[in-house]
Amino acid sequence: DAKTTQPTSMDCAEGRAANLPCNHSTISGNEYVYWYRQIHSQGPQYIIHGLKNNETNEMASLIITEDRKSSTLILPHATLRDTAVYYCIVRVSPMDTGRRALTFGSGTRLQVQP
Amino acid sequence: GAVVSQHPSRVICKSGTSVKIECRSLDFQATTMFWYRQFPKQSLMLMATSNEGSKATYEQGVEKDKFLINHASLTLSTLTVTSAHPEDSSFYICSARGSRDTYEQYFGPGTRLTVT
Repeated sequence: DAKTTQPTSMDCAEGRAANLPCNHSTISGNEYVYWYRQIHSQGPQYIIHGLKNNETNEMASLIITEDRKSSTLILPHATLRDTAVYYCIVRVSPMDTGRRALTFGSGTRLQVQP
Repeated sequence: GAVVSQHPSRVICKSGTSVKIECRSLDFQATTMFWYRQFPKQSLMLMATSNEGSKATYEQGVEKDKFLINHASLTLSTLTVTSAHPEDSSFYICSARGSRDTYEQYFGPGTRLTVT
C-alpha cells in the first residue's frame, strides 16, 4: 500500500469547514484513498473513500487531485463532536486485497474549537 | 448494518491472570477478523489476522502463545491475553471483514485492558 503523509495536528473553529490534507505521491492506479477517524477511546469509524473522482456523503467530501498524488477530506461544518484523529489510508480495493488488514499511520489530530 | 461489538468494553485484571476479549459481527458473517493494539497517543498496530476455521497469523513481534486467538465461528473471534502483565495494558480493537457485499473492514468499539 502507498505511503501517506498527513499533518500531525490541525485546529478548526466550530461551524467552519475543516480541510484535512493527505499526500500520497506514490499511489498506484488501482489504489483507493480511504479516510477513517478515531474519536478518543473508540474504534475507528469509516468516513469515505474514492478512486479518482470526488466523492461526497452525509459525513464529508473527498477531493482527489487530478494526478491523484494528494487529497483533501472536507468536513463542511465542523462540530465539537468531530474532534478526533483522522487517518488517510491508501489501499487497493478490499475485494482485491485478499485478507490484508488496513494499516494505520499517525493521522491528523483535529481539534474543533468552540 | 455491518456492526461489530466487543466485550468487555473495559477490564481490570491482576498481573499473572488471563483475560478473554470477544469480538462479534452482529449482522454479517466475518470470514476474517483482525486484532489491533493501541498504546496511549500511538496509532493502531495490527497484532494478528484470523480466518474462520484456521490458525491466526501473527505480526512480527507478537507472541502467539501469549495472545491466543480463536475464530471458531463466522461471527465470533476471541483474543485471550495469557499471564497478563502491566505492559500488556492497552486498548485492544478488533475489526471484521465479511464476504459478499461486506468486503470492507468494520471496527469494534475497543476494549481497554488495565493490568495491575
